[in-house]
This record gives sequence, structure tokens and C-alpha cells, in this order.
Amino acid sequence: AQSVSQHNHHVILSEAASLELGCNYSYGGTVNLFWYVQYPGQHLQLLLKYFSGDPLVKGIKGFEAEFIKSKFSFNLRKPSVQWSDTAEYFCAVNPYGGSQGNLIFGKGTKLSVKP
Amino acid sequence: DAGITQSPRYKITETGRQVTLMCHQTWSHSYMFWYRQDLGHGLRLIYYSAAADITDKGEVPDGYVVSRSKTENFPLTLESATRSQTSVYFCASSKGVPETGTRGYEQYFGPGTRLTVT
Repeated sequence: AQSVSQHNHHVILSEAASLELGCNYSYGGTVNLFWYVQYPGQHLQLLLKYFSGDPLVKGIKGFEAEFIKSKFSFNLRKPSVQWSDTAEYFCAVNPYGGSQGNLIFGKGTKLSVKP
Repeated sequence: DAGITQSPRYKITETGRQVTLMCHQTWSHSYMFWYRQDLGHGLRLIYYSAAADITDKGEVPDGYVVSRSKTENFPLTLESATRSQTSVYFCASSKGVPETGTRGYEQYFGPGTRLTVT
């Protein structure tokens, strides 16, 4: 079965530290890739997406992610985090040709940024 | 532009009662989805719909029923609520689904309904 793994359950950083959240998926075909963010008590918001082309994608709020096809990975990065980045981050995969069309989510990584 | 809305935002109900969660989108998106979010599980698909009157099961459909008589609405009904259905429910919509040779589509999420079954 297709799955998405997020390696870090909870990450704690100080402001200005660099961030990298890992995401790996298990699907051999073409995929669309997403990172969503959920701030406390709020709904999911799209941070960035990859459909095709340049494997380094830039999203909102200074986030970026790199798709490495050979590693089935789509890691999220930010050079310098802020307290306002405290949230839960979800990696999601949308396989091509899947009849359901749904997103397959990782279990999420909670990021806590200390001021 | 209202986007995608859900109601109620919070609901407490008793075991055995029927509960309906509403979802409404203003974009005329073809696809709509219901996910549940549980600690340690991320989001899991309950049901989805490709168009009005076309629905199908997702990963965790047991105990739920959906309908889609109009494109913009996609209600989710818990026929006889159980404590294991205590969760946060998110509705989502998208223009389409990725197919070979076409671009992908992102999904837009509603604000969620926090349901507690006592």
C-alpha cells in the first residue's frame, strides 16, 4: 500500500535555527507532492506543492522543499525559523492514476519554536 | 469568496445518535473528500466523491454514510455514533485528480469539525 513517512514526530528549535523535516513516500509511479501546515486550532493550509519541473520548489513564508526522485523524498526546509512557525506540518502525496484522487498523508511533524 | 465551509465547527453527541456534518464549497469543484484527523494517524480518507451522485469509500468508511445530490454539498453522516468516531473531520475539494499527462491539482480544506462522542 502507498504510504508517506515523516521521520520526526516532534521537533523543537530555537528562533533563527534552520529547519529540515523529512518526508519519504512509497510509490513507484508519478506523484504530486505537497506540504501542508496546520497552525494550532486551524485548518490545513498549503505551504508548497510539486507537480513537475524544477525539483526545488519555493512556497510561502520562506519555506522550500526538494524532490529527490531517486530517494522518494520531499524534504521541507527553512533557513531560519520564527516563533510563528510553531505548527504541525504534513507531507502528502497524490499518486497519478489513482482512482480516488485523495491525498495520502504522513502522520505529521509537530514543530515547536522557542522564542 | 466563501471557499469551503463546514458546520457545525464543534459537536458533542452521545453514543448511538445519528450525526450529520455538513460541507459546502463555492468553487464548483468536481471532487470532494472527507478526512478524519486523529493523533498519531495524520489524516485518513473516509469517503470521496468525483461528481454529484458519484461517491466511493476511502480508507476508513465503516460507520459513515455520504451523499452528494448537489455539486457544492457533501454531507457526512454518522449513522450510530461510537466513541471511536471522536475526531476532527475535514472536508476538502479539488478541481480534479492527477492523471497521466495532465497537471496535478491541489486540495483545499475546510476549517474542520471537532466531534466528541460521549
